Amino acid sequence: QLVLTQSPSASASLGASVKLTCTLSSGHSNYAVAWHQQQPEKGPRYLMKVNIDGSHIKGDGIPDRFSASSSGAERYLTISSLQSEDEADYYCQTWGTGIQVFGGGTKLTVL
Amino acid sequence: QVQLVESGGGVVQPGRSLRLSCVASGFTFSTYGMHWVRQAPGKGLEWVAIISSDGSDKYYGDSVKGRFTISRDNSKNTLYLQMNSLRVEDTAVYYCAKDDGYSYCMVLWGQGSTVTVSS
Repeated sequence: QLVLTQSPSASASLGASVKLTCTLSSGHSNYAVAWHQQQPEKGPRYLMKVNIDGSHIKGDGIPDRFSASSSGAERYLTISSLQSEDEADYYCQTWGTGIQVFGGGTKLTVL
Repeated sequence: QVQLVESGGGVVQPGRSLRLSCVASGFTFSTYGMHWVRQAPGKGLEWVAIISSDGSDKYYGDSVKGRFTISRDNSKNTLYLQMNSLRVEDTAVYYCAKDDGYSYCMVLWGQGSTVTVSS
């Protein structure tokens, strides 16, 4: 069964960096993953897609502070030089034929 | 301007029906797969349905299968979600999303339309 696992919460200080993790279920480690940001009271926003080799395709207007990488069944989203507006929920998403799966989301707090 | 605009949400009693619409602009609608995703109050994102660019392929999440129908009118750049036999647990903000044209990766979201199912 295709499942994505995310930590429920993360925190980091203003100006620091944070690395969020999304783990693919066993047998699905070759799947690409997309990262989406949802700021409070707003709809989701596509950030980028990350492939098994760590290559990624960003959405329009996504700052260079946002990057992605990959290792085995894990897909990462790294945010550097944290700003207050980065405080949001971050969801990973993957897909197969006829199915879409979201992780449970990570709530990022900027201290 | 590339955007998706949902409409049609509202308050409806359990067992009734509602149809959501999503109007696309700024891109060639007929060449992209489209999705519906929902978010219950205080919860995470839940995929609802997907339709291929030409409308020939449709898939649904288990919680809506048999009750919801996704469709599209490429001549009107519009995506639809027909929701029948609504339940209290269908209460959510419903988002439409566009894929990237070659996988099922969602790359553009609408602002959402709120559906409340309550007696």
